[in-house]
Amino acid sequence: SAVISQKPSRDICQRGTSLTIQCQVDSQVTMMFWYRQQPGQSLTLIATANQGSEATYESGFVIDKFPISRPNLTFSTLTVSNMSPEDSSIYLCSVVNYEQYFGPGTRLTVT
Amino acid sequence: AQKVTQAQTEISVVEKEDVTLDCVYETRDTTYYLFWYKQPPSGELVFLIRRNSFDEQNEISGRYSWNFQKSTSSFNFTITASQVVDSAVYFCALRYNAGNMLTFGGGTRLMVKP
Repeated sequence: SAVISQKPSRDICQRGTSLTIQCQVDSQVTMMFWYRQQPGQSLTLIATANQGSEATYESGFVIDKFPISRPNLTFSTLTVSNMSPEDSSIYLCSVVNYEQYFGPGTRLTVT
Repeated sequence: AQKVTQAQTEISVVEKEDVTLDCVYETRDTTYYLFWYKQPPSGELVFLIRRNSFDEQNEISGRYSWNFQKSTSSFNFTITASQVVDSAVYFCALRYNAGNMLTFGGGTRLMVKP
């Protein structure tokens, strides 16, 4: 299995500001994924982050809004930029280590 | 294109009842993987099971069992003798062989009342 931690676990932010979410894994993984779960909804993939290359974004998500870093095989960050109330969601990172595991999530509220 | 449908948005049962959560999927891939996750009120996503498309054998793990039928493109999840701690949102998901992206169903909220 893989143990994934995320920071912060939750935050309340003002509109127009940015928040960087950190994801740490206890083992080296090739791909890390960032998902968004809007209130009462299912999970949607934002992007796939490979170490040493640009992240690959899904339709509807852009790098300017959700810049991602992947400096090594155990760590990634997702920034939610210029936030609006519509960005209020749970953001989860995920890795594939035989199975597919998820971090505990970052619960973001934008006021 | 891939799609996962969980037609039951919400189910309410009384403790000790058996409950089945339905999952129907669509994919053109011949090799794929199906998953079930549990999301309790705390929000984390707990991995329950992964099934390969070439393995239709049903699985049982304690009170949990899964029925995979390729003929009907279904991967249903049954909880036997439900408990209050089973109350959560359950997600079915699909991943095709060539990639690692999960396509999630809309989720089923299960409420088990004492």
